[in-house]
Amino acid sequence: QKEVEQDPGPLSVPEGAIVSLNCTYSNSAFQYFMWYRQYSRKGPELLMYTYSSGNKEDGRFTAQVDKSSKYISLFIRDSQPSDSATYLCAMTPGHASGGSYIPTFGRGTSLIVHP
Amino acid sequence: GAVVSQHPSRVICKSGTSVKIECRSLDFQATTMFWYRQFPKKSLMLMATSNEGSKATYEQGVEKDKFLINHASLTLSTLTVTSAHPEDSSFYICSAKTEPNEKLFFGSGTQLSVL
Repeated sequence: QKEVEQDPGPLSVPEGAIVSLNCTYSNSAFQYFMWYRQYSRKGPELLMYTYSSGNKEDGRFTAQVDKSSKYISLFIRDSQPSDSATYLCAMTPGHASGGSYIPTFGRGTSLIVHP
Repeated sequence: GAVVSQHPSRVICKSGTSVKIECRSLDFQATTMFWYRQFPKKSLMLMATSNEGSKATYEQGVEKDKFLINHASLTLSTLTVTSAHPEDSSFYICSAKTEPNEKLFFGSGTQLSVL
């Protein structure tokens, strides 16, 4: 079992839909959770950054972390064609826990928002 | 968010030549930078962790003599692909970690094509 599991998709939705992207993980030491958006042939862009469990909202994006279930989600409201990209989750124990800061990435989910 | 600049964005070279890729943190100091390689439609593959003032830590299977990493200052890390061959053709991406919140920001990537 990989440390971080993420469905590669592709996930195809109509414009305006609510998108739900998810990752599961096995390492209970993970404390910091990130979501990145990557357009083709570009570097990943940090979208959301959360620490421990809970929700965080930023515009059309909401990140949820459920540490008890080892499950994180990214919701995109009112999806737009410009949201079409690959979304990667990433997580790390962080130095505060005494762990190594080498982020572990999911393989990414390809999202297609069609007009 | 913090800005990481990566150059060049694209390079085409002949087999046997060496290529240097630069990664700069523009508005923050980064004691730790990471170098990734990414194949089409695949996830990020960590090659090495670059630590300012010390030797890089390479992942298993990555040839340290082939991929030379230098992190001589808190804002600059370089990756040199020595004696490049067609199988080294790939998309290389650097990232830098901010402190103390340990967020990870990526450069825009370098597409290397070795003829």
